[in-house]
Amino acid sequence: GAGVSQSPSNKVTEKGKDVELRCDPISGHTALYWYRQRLGQGLEFLIYFQGNSAPDKSGLPSDRFSAERTGESVSTLTIQRTQQEDSAVYLCASSSRGLAGTHAEETQYFGPGTRLLVL
Amino acid sequence: QKEVEQDPGPLSVPEGAIVSLNCTYSNSAFQYFMWYRQYSRKGPELLMYTYSSGNKEDGRFTAQVDKSSKYISLFIRDSQPSDSATYLCAMSVMDSSYKLIFGSGTRLLVRP
Repeated sequence: GAGVSQSPSNKVTEKGKDVELRCDPISGHTALYWYRQRLGQGLEFLIYFQGNSAPDKSGLPSDRFSAERTGESVSTLTIQRTQQEDSAVYLCASSSRGLAGTHAEETQYFGPGTRLLVL
Repeated sequence: QKEVEQDPGPLSVPEGAIVSLNCTYSNSAFQYFMWYRQYSRKGPELLMYTYSSGNKEDGRFTAQVDKSSKYISLFIRDSQPSDSATYLCAMSVMDSSYKLIFGSGTRLLVRP
């Protein structure tokens, strides 16, 4: 079946502009995560959605970052007033946690990412 | 100090060699351990996951966890040029989110 998809694949923007990144999780996956990967570094957790529960926003670096998810489908990550330090790859992952009560459901499947460059 | 430390490499080996990749961590609450492979300009792809100390084998890959030493390893046998990629260790606490804490990744080059 289809994996996690993200759009756009690349985004170049000017400092101060707002950007919106989109993630389509694997169909039926209840959990959705956003991570950020700076050049040459590992992934940093940003935010987590699970069903209708309140999201875990503990990884968002500033109030310029926000994310929404409609039910158990599409999510958008919005960065307002972009700064050059926001340049990174933004990755989305989904998992089926909570559906079967097994450990395997915790596996997070990643999309290809959106490469954001702020000039 | 980072919660998860990983040697960035690069690690260059000849085809057929056994590769050893390692991570150390500081948070004793981590219980879920994973290895991801990431090709250039692609998203991470899960290779292996484990919940307990000991070894887990899958084909040419073996994952090893030593919770007493807070140390995990990934071994790749009979390495192939197609194994050339960045390998990321990741781990999480079994809490409400299972958010992953990643190492910085080790770049591996397998020479033909």
